[in-house]
Amino acid sequence: GESVGLHLPTLSVQEGDNSIINCAYSNSASDYFIWYKQESGKGPQFIIDIRSNMDKRQGQRVTVLLNKTVKHLSLQIAATQPGDSAVYFCAENIMGQNFVFGPGTRLSVLP
Amino acid sequence: GAGVSQSPSNKVTEKGKDVELRCDPISGHTALYWYRQSLGQGLEFLIYFQGNSAPDKSGLPSDRFSAERTGGSVSTLTIQRTQQEDSAVYLCASSSAGDTQYFGPGTRLTVL
Repeated sequence: GESVGLHLPTLSVQEGDNSIINCAYSNSASDYFIWYKQESGKGPQFIIDIRSNMDKRQGQRVTVLLNKTVKHLSLQIAATQPGDSAVYFCAENIMGQNFVFGPGTRLSVLP
Repeated sequence: GAGVSQSPSNKVTEKGKDVELRCDPISGHTALYWYRQSLGQGLEFLIYFQGNSAPDKSGLPSDRFSAERTGGSVSTLTIQRTQQEDSAVYLCASSSAGDTQYFGPGTRLTVL
């Protein structure tokens, strides 16, 4: 994982709007990707994953999009709620190797 | 158990002392990971155990850091001669090979 300093990128959205959090991953051989949510004082919590043989996967209110051509991953949250406020991390993995985490994005939901 | 557990939840120590942090992974998970997270920052990989293979220690910041995984289950992360810059939250995660990682709540280490 990387750490990029004390100030995480921040995304502010109005409650009820859709959120899009982006992540550029580093290894074109990565075949598994995860989005995590981390609330203050807690460990990261799994949200949704996707394997490299897919380009879209949907969960409850969340969608992950994978663009392998440009090594880009995004997390879309529909109808963002105050409880969605957290830091979101993407992670990439090659089977049998370690996970590599992105720097994280802080999502702030405005009332 | 239901999830990954870590102990202690908080540890305050004096500079120069040794500390041991414990991780109990989810039963049956063959992979175990240790990460460090400083305040407001991302996850820094420390070490990765997979089954009986030699661990990937490439993330350990210095030779003061070491980890063991006994019997393919419980893991202990040891930091010798702690320094103030070691203060952070230490997170443990486990997974089945090629599958999602599940994180524990972390141990907050404060070195005075």
